[in-house]
Amino acid sequence: KQEVTQIPAALSVPEGENLVLNCSFTDSAIYNLQWFRQDPGKGLTSLLLIQSSQREQTSGRLNASLDKSSGRSTLYIAASQPGDSATYLCAVNGNKLVFGAGTILRVKS
Amino acid sequence: GAVVSQHPSWVICKSGTSVKIECRSLDFQATTMFWYRQFPKQSLMLMATSNEGSKATYEQGVEKDKFLINHASLTLSTLTVTSAHPEDSSFYICSARNSEYSNQPQHFGDGTRLSIL
Repeated sequence: KQEVTQIPAALSVPEGENLVLNCSFTDSAIYNLQWFRQDPGKGLTSLLLIQSSQREQTSGRLNASLDKSSGRSTLYIAASQPGDSATYLCAVNGNKLVFGAGTILRVKS
Repeated sequence: GAVVSQHPSWVICKSGTSVKIECRSLDFQATTMFWYRQFPKQSLMLMATSNEGSKATYEQGVEKDKFLINHASLTLSTLTVTSAHPEDSSFYICSARNSEYSNQPQHFGDGTRLSIL
């Protein structure tokens, strides 16, 4: 059974700081991995999707990496802004999407 | 593209009421739709997977008679919470995929907050 763990559970940083969110998974037989953003009381916004054959994906200030063999992914956020404050979810797709518990990010102005 | 609309966004009702939530794919045909549940401060848990025209597949521990899923067309799936009780209060999110293949991405609705008094 796939298990997804996200570290840290919560993170508070000053504006402008670069930061890394971590995601680990137990079963490396996956099709892809996806990072989502969720604002309080809202649905999911897809940020980046990395196919199992890829090592990384970039979108603006976001960069996600994937090391399938070690069961790890990171989401790098450059020059963080208060508007980046949200919960970030990692989801692993191996027939079904299995979500981590999320990292609650607060960027202080 | 790939927009999923979920309705209603918020519902409050009395215990014992049945509540229907709709999930529509607006600009694509959804071969497969998924229903997730999210308790406060917890992550999303898959409840069931439905393919158009066939019975839904429920995850272990999810009562199929409690959570009725209908996927009658390629653009609409509904989740009915029957005889809802306070413990059913949660955030329900649907997603849709325009392919039968699991490696294709799911597109998510904005969720429905259900509060049972």
